[in-house]
Amino acid sequence: ETGVTQSPTHLIKTRGQQVTLRCSSQSGHNTVSWYQQALGQGPQFIFQYYREEENGRGNFPPRFSGLQFPNYSSELNVNALELDDSALYLCASSPGQGAVTQYFGPGTRLTVL
Amino acid sequence: KNEVEQSPQNLTAQEGEFITINCSYSVGISALHWLQQHPGGGIVSLFMLSSGKKKHGRLIATINIQEKHSSLHITASHPRDSAVYICAVQGGSEKLVFGKGTKLTVNP
Repeated sequence: ETGVTQSPTHLIKTRGQQVTLRCSSQSGHNTVSWYQQALGQGPQFIFQYYREEENGRGNFPPRFSGLQFPNYSSELNVNALELDDSALYLCASSPGQGAVTQYFGPGTRLTVL
Repeated sequence: KNEVEQSPQNLTAQEGEFITINCSYSVGISALHWLQQHPGGGIVSLFMLSSGKKKHGRLIATINIQEKHSSLHITASHPRDSAVYICAVQGGSEKLVFGKGTKLTVNP
């Protein structure tokens, strides 16, 4: 059973560019959540996808968008990058919605210059 | 005031000591999660609690729903326990709300 994987590991972009981050969920998991973790802070919920539909969203602007594919892997897209978008982006998969254990990937470290 | 408060922010202990990390929250929850984050970012889920107490090896997590408080205990601490420990709560929606974490350093 493979765990949650994310790509790329690290990424450097400049202001105004667009970025796509990828997450492969753990086998058998149909739910993926995305989080942003700024340095020295706890993660912040961006959104969750359940069976290819957005299933909840945190306080992030529309330039943060996502997608979940039929195999339950997921993408996070960020348009018009800003310096404050520099952070560790974490995805977590779970076998369903609600109060279940989430399994986290290793994260993608995004630096915006 | 944050919905989830952890204390202490930083904790340094000697190998073998008993460690307690506290988490208080201000909202109704369906579950509380304790997570461990190592340098480099990877997060491991340690416990998910909705009541009572859970134990896994040297780790014990307790929750008091009435007092909106949870504790994570580590018995016989070891340098490999050094990490950031994060408390996160889950309310009626799907999102997790995280505390800022407690950085634990266990010295040999």
